[in-house]
Order: sequence, then structure tokens, then C-alpha cells
Amino acid sequence: SQTIHQWPATLVQPVGSPLSLECTVEGTSNPNLYWYRQAAGRGLQLLFYSVGIGQISSEVPQNLSASRPQDRQFILSSKKLLLSDSGFYLCAWSAARLGTGGSQPQHFGDGTRLSIL
Amino acid sequence: GQNIDQPTEMTATEGAIVQINCTYQTSGFNGLFWYQQHAGEAPTFLSYNVLDGLEEKGRFSSFLSRSKGYSYLLLKELQMKDSASYLCAGGNNAGNMLTFGGGTRLMVKP
Repeated sequence: SQTIHQWPATLVQPVGSPLSLECTVEGTSNPNLYWYRQAAGRGLQLLFYSVGIGQISSEVPQNLSASRPQDRQFILSSKKLLLSDSGFYLCAWSAARLGTGGSQPQHFGDGTRLSIL
Repeated sequence: GQNIDQPTEMTATEGAIVQINCTYQTSGFNGLFWYQQHAGEAPTFLSYNVLDGLEEKGRFSSFLSRSKGYSYLLLKELQMKDSASYLCAGGNNAGNMLTFGGGTRLMVKP
């Protein structure tokens, strides 16, 4: 069965510090990978998605970046964190969509709660 | 793009039935997902509808009407543990992207 691991679970960082959040998927090949952010009491905002190694699409311009150095590894980074970067960060995976078939469900990691001081 | 609307909060009584509605306006619509998210936790996948009609999974059922741009999640025999946010999400023909609504926070009371 497929599993998704995301770490750390909680992180407290000062403004201006760098960030690296890591996500790995097991039990599947060539997954689609996603990074979301969720502000308290709000919905999910898609930040980045990837359909393959080295292929990253950004949905929201900001001081965050993402990389996919291996098939099942997805990293979210920042060089200098802002107060507004606080939130609950979620990594998700899905199987690649098959041709013109229906969408595939996305499955989420446990999330990282990031607090910027 | 897609626009997903669902109520912000609902309250129901243990043992009762509750229906959470979701309306969507999309281009390239390709299915409707429902997720459950307990406070402080990640969302978990509940159901997926791509064709019109009702899909039943135990106490939970989900309905879709593509012509009306409407879906609902039906929870029967409510339990206290069903207190959570329920997220409606629309799939898009362009890749496997989902657009999430803001979520409906359901409070189940004794």
C-alpha cells in the first residue's frame, strides 16, 4: 500500500530564516505531488504541484519554492521566511490521471504546523 | 477556473442525519471529491463522484448533479466523532488539479 511521510510535524522559525520541508511517498511510482497551505479555519491553497522529476508548477507567486529531486521526494523551501508564511503545510500525492479518465483522489501527509516569530 | 461554495458551519444532533451542500462553477469539471478533516489533522478522502447520482459508503453518501453544478454529502446516524470539517473539491480536466472549498465545520451535539 502507498504511504506518504512529511516532516517535521511542528516547526517554529524566526522571521528571515530559511525553510526546508520534506515529503516522501512510498509504494507507488511516478506520482503527482502537491504542496498546500492552510491558514487557521480556512480552506486549502495549492502552492505547487509536480507531475515528474524536475517538473514544478507554481500556483501562487511568493517567497516559497519547491523541488523534486527524486521521483517520490518533494521539498518545499524558502530563503527568508515572512510572518505571513505561518500556517499548516500539507503535502499530497495522487496517481497520474489516465488519459481522459476521471480525476484521481489526492492523499495527504500528516502536515507541518509552521509558526513564524 | 473553479469556484466552490459550501456553508461555513452546521450543527446537528447525535443520531440524526445531516446534509452538507456544495455548489460549483467550473470550466473543465471532472468530478467532485469530499474530504473529512478533524481539527489539527490532515484531510482524509471520503468519496468521489464523476457521474450523476448517489454513491453510498456505509453511513456516508455523496450525490452529484452535473447539470445543476451541485453535490451533497449525507451523514447518517451521526456520532460525536463525526465532528469535523468537510471539504468539497472539484477536479479539473487540465491535469489532476483539485480546487477546494473553504470547508463546512460540522458540530455534533449530544
